[in-house]
Amino acid sequence: AQSVTQPDIHITVSEGASLELRCNYSYGATPYLFWYVQSPGQGLQLLLKYFSGDTLVQGIKGFEAEFKRSQSSFNLRKPSVHWSDAAEYFCAVGALDTGRRALTFGSGTRLQVQP
Amino acid sequence: SAVISQKPSRDICQRGTSLTIQCQVDSQVTMMFWYRQQPGQSLTLIATANQGSEATYESGFVIDKFPISRPNLTFSTLTVSNMSPEDSSIYLCSAQGAKVTEAFFGQGTRLTVV
Repeated sequence: AQSVTQPDIHITVSEGASLELRCNYSYGATPYLFWYVQSPGQGLQLLLKYFSGDTLVQGIKGFEAEFKRSQSSFNLRKPSVHWSDAAEYFCAVGALDTGRRALTFGSGTRLQVQP
Repeated sequence: SAVISQKPSRDICQRGTSLTIQCQVDSQVTMMFWYRQQPGQSLTLIATANQGSEATYESGFVIDKFPISRPNLTFSTLTVSNMSPEDSSIYLCSAQGAKVTEAFFGQGTRLTVV
């Protein structure tokens, strides 16, 4: 079965600083990987996804993520954080070939942005 | 992409009562799922809503507590039965198209049981 680990429960960065949120997955074949953001009291918004091709994926709001098969990682990055990026970020994995179509989510990373 | 509407967006309920949450998708989708997000936690899959047949429940979730319907390819309901304060969570509906790479979420229903 697939699993996702987000090692950082809480991260604080200063506005304008760069950001990297870590995500490690466990899955035997090629996974489908997602990053979602959840603002307080809101649902999930898809930031980006990877399923094949270029391992560097561009998303919305200036985010990008890089798939590294050798490290089983799919870390999310942003070169300059804005105060509005403060939210909870979830990494998720999907797998078509197991017959399990639902996504498996990591525990989330809460991002706090200091002025 | 698909747009998912969930009703209600939030509710406060008395213990022992039941609440039915509705999920409407603006296009036909292959798969629909229900997730629970307990306070400060990640999303946990409750069940897969199967069109025209009984839902497939994950370990720890049972039909008597969380009955699910999916009468067609665009609509599903989740009922939280005989509620207790431990059921206070956000409940999210999700839909997938033919490809697992297309995964959409509703805004969620924030349930508080008092």
